[in-house]
Amino acid sequence: AQSVTQPDIHITVSEGASLELRCNYSYGATPYLFWYVQSPGQGLQLLLKYFSGDTLVQGIKGFEAEFKRSQSSFNLRKPSVHWSDAAEYFCAVGNNAGNMLTFGGGTRLMVKP
Amino acid sequence: NAGVMQNPRHLVRRRGQEARLRCSPMKGHSHVYWYRQLPEEGLKFMVYLQKENIIDESGMPKERFSAEFPKEGPSILRIQQVVRGDSAAYFCASSSPLAAFTDTQYFGPGTRLTVL
Repeated sequence: AQSVTQPDIHITVSEGASLELRCNYSYGATPYLFWYVQSPGQGLQLLLKYFSGDTLVQGIKGFEAEFKRSQSSFNLRKPSVHWSDAAEYFCAVGNNAGNMLTFGGGTRLMVKP
Repeated sequence: NAGVMQNPRHLVRRRGQEARLRCSPMKGHSHVYWYRQLPEEGLKFMVYLQKENIIDESGMPKERFSAEFPKEGPSILRIQQVVRGDSAAYFCASSSPLAAFTDTQYFGPGTRLTVL
């Protein structure tokens, strides 16, 4: 069965600092990997996705993620965080049939001025 | 191009009542997914539907919950005889049928159900 672990429940960074959110997955085949962001009271917005090819994926809002098969990881990064990035971030893995996403528990990001 | 629409955005029910949650997929999308998010948790898959067919309901509770996606109209998630543990945010997502194995799911804003 597929699973996703986001080890950090809360992270606080200063505005302008770099950010890395960790995601580890368990899946038997080549995974389809996603990062979504959820602002308070809102739905999920797709930041980026990995299906195949280049292991460094660029997304919206200046985010990127790197797929590392050897570490079963898909960490999300941003070189300089803005106050508007404060939100909850979810990593997800999709099954081969493309019909079910398994989400991690989420990481809540707070940004200090 | 409107995104995924869900209504109502907030729903309050008393224990024992029925809750009906509606989801209209993005234009051109015929695959619909329902997820539940309990407080302080991630989203959990419930059901995957195509028009007039339930494809995968492995995440649906065995009792009181049902889902449909009729030929015309929105997808409906129905919860009968609600209990306090049903209080959660319910998200709908849709995707295009053109690339079923790799296509992205786009999420609606969710319906927040509160059971008193």
